[in-house]
Amino acid sequence: GESVGLHLPTLSVQEGDNSIINCAYSNSASDYFIWYKQESGKGPQFIIDIRSNMDKRQGQRVTVLLNKTVKHLSLQIAATQPGDSAVYFCAEGGTSYGKLTFGQGTILTVHP
Amino acid sequence: EPEVTQTPSHQVTQMGQEVILRCVPISNHLYFYWYRQILGQKVEFLVSFYNNEISEKSEIFDDQFSVERPDGSNFTLKIRSTKLEDSAMYFCASSLDWTPYEQYFGPGTRLTVT
Repeated sequence: GESVGLHLPTLSVQEGDNSIINCAYSNSASDYFIWYKQESGKGPQFIIDIRSNMDKRQGQRVTVLLNKTVKHLSLQIAATQPGDSAVYFCAEGGTSYGKLTFGQGTILTVHP
Repeated sequence: EPEVTQTPSHQVTQMGQEVILRCVPISNHLYFYWYRQILGQKVEFLVSFYNNEISEKSEIFDDQFSVERPDGSNFTLKIRSTKLEDSAMYFCASSLDWTPYEQYFGPGTRLTVT
């Protein structure tokens, strides 16, 4: 069946370091991928997305990489800050009416 | 910045009771969703809704669940005869169009079934 999963459940980094969060997906028909950030007690917050016809997309301090050959998605956060501490979810979509399939989540902890 | 709002923030109910979770999507959005997140687990899709009809629903969204847009601003999720395993965070989301348009999530309603 369809699934989106993460390799690492937790990631701890020092402030100022770069962070990389990984995600594997299994539905090759998905054509839209999103990274969400979820802070404690809040709903998922959109970070960045990428379509399947791209392999890289950059935002402010964040970059998403998509490798369709191995069905792998990653989120790179540059100069990680304590405010980046949260749970990060990847999600895939585009195969049906707006349905997003979320991965398990990675807890990112940034130490000052 | 416009945002999705949800009420109540926390709902406690007894097993077998009916609950209605309420959402006010972003005003110019036409596509609406409900997701749930059991504590410590991933976010799961429940249902998508457009033009006063369910567009897609997951296996979780059985006859116990229903959605409604009773007026021009609210979007509700009704859970009949709640079960212990319905305890979760329920998130409403809305978007301008189907993906790849961004889905904006509300802060969630924590449902506790005792």
